[in-house]
Amino acid sequence: GAVVSQHPSRVICKSGTSVKIECRSLDFQATTMFWYRQFPKQSLMLMATSNEGSKATYEQGVEKDKFLINHASLTLSTLTVTSAHPEDSSFYICSASEVSGIWGDTQYFGPGTRLTVL
Amino acid sequence: AQSVSQHNHHVILSEAASLELGCNYSYGGTVNLFWYVQYPGQHLQLLLKYFSGDPLVKGIKGFEAEFIKSKFSFNLRKPSVQWSDTAEYFCPLYNTDKLIFGTGTRLQVFP
Repeated sequence: GAVVSQHPSRVICKSGTSVKIECRSLDFQATTMFWYRQFPKQSLMLMATSNEGSKATYEQGVEKDKFLINHASLTLSTLTVTSAHPEDSSFYICSASEVSGIWGDTQYFGPGTRLTVL
Repeated sequence: AQSVSQHNHHVILSEAASLELGCNYSYGGTVNLFWYVQYPGQHLQLLLKYFSGDPLVKGIKGFEAEFIKSKFSFNLRKPSVQWSDTAEYFCPLYNTDKLIFGTGTRLQVFP
């Protein structure tokens, strides 16, 4: 149980275009989803936290106009990288927390999306 | 501010050797601690977690971790590693609805 999927797994785009990444919780409902960025050989950096039906909370230094997050349902959150530039190239990972239970704080991670901006 | 420190950035072991990966955190309140593993090319998977109770936590695949409050530590242990344990290991701290990650430890196990 507790499977999180991401789509696409890899995307290559031209500079200036926008890219949308989907994150789905497949077998549970997630009130909260998280978006991370992972740099090569480095740890995960939290970008934003999104709760279903409300605006995302962005971490300090993350541009909310550049990284648009939508959490329209309990099983789907999307991250749109707008006007992508080569420095946005990275590995983007989402995670989701289950709705209830004592393990409600546990996050389940998706497989990640490799974004390359040319 | 809360933070997590994993001092061992890269650990190299032979199969059957014992493993202990260090994890220290800086936070004075109640902590929820996790260990996640990321196998090459795969997503992060939960190994074990500590919320309260017995400070010795058993996880999957023979891993365990001990929460020592006085030392602000939550080290991961395994008595005998296998080649398949080669992966990146993270011990995030959960606080205020988010996980705070350290730099991670890369473990390489040679047959």
